[in-house]
Amino acid sequence: EAGVVQSPRYKIIEKKQPVAFWCNPISGHNTLYWYLQNLGQGPELLIRYENEEAVDDSQLPKDRFSAERLKGVDSTLKIQPAELGDSAVYLCASSPGAGETQYFGPGTRLLVL
Amino acid sequence: QKEVEQNSGPLSVPEGAIASLNCTYSDRGSQSFFWYRQYSGKSPELIMFIYSNGDKEDGRFTAQLNKASQYVSLLIRDSQPSDSATYLCAVKPGGTSYGKLTFGQGTILTVHP
Repeated sequence: EAGVVQSPRYKIIEKKQPVAFWCNPISGHNTLYWYLQNLGQGPELLIRYENEEAVDDSQLPKDRFSAERLKGVDSTLKIQPAELGDSAVYLCASSPGAGETQYFGPGTRLLVL
Repeated sequence: QKEVEQNSGPLSVPEGAIASLNCTYSDRGSQSFFWYRQYSGKSPELIMFIYSNGDKEDGRFTAQLNKASQYVSLLIRDSQPSDSATYLCAVKPGGTSYGKLTFGQGTILTVHP
């Protein structure tokens, strides 16, 4: 069974530029999560989707971050404009349903210069 | 007080010894508890999880819950150098936050030959 797929794996951009991350969850997983992980810290939830509905986006900085999961499968997380403090690893995870075990993708390492 | 707290370490143990990792949580209504292992530069991978009703053993790993004191522990018996990683504790709260996973900052474990 294929795991969670994310791309790109690495991204370097200049501040104020836009950036987008893509995630393909494990087949059949209805719940998708985007996490932010800073160096030396645990992942922090940004947004959780149940199918195509965002059910928890309370930690998403909505002035610059946006996310979508139009068909309830793949998801895209966007930052516009990026700031220096956005440099981190962005992890996508999925689970069969809410409350079930989450499986993480390899993450996208973002560096904002 | 953070919702989930771990000693960031590093915790250093000799090969073959028992490594004991601890995690405290603030929400008494928490329903389930997870331990993830994260190698440097990699994404978190699930080791094991327990529910609020008991402990669990899986091979060299044992997860224990002390509800009265609100902490969870992970014991690794016969520690191997390959166990060297960051161990993340994650807690799923009860109530309306169902599905949300809150992580601690992780404990760095080093197993030396």
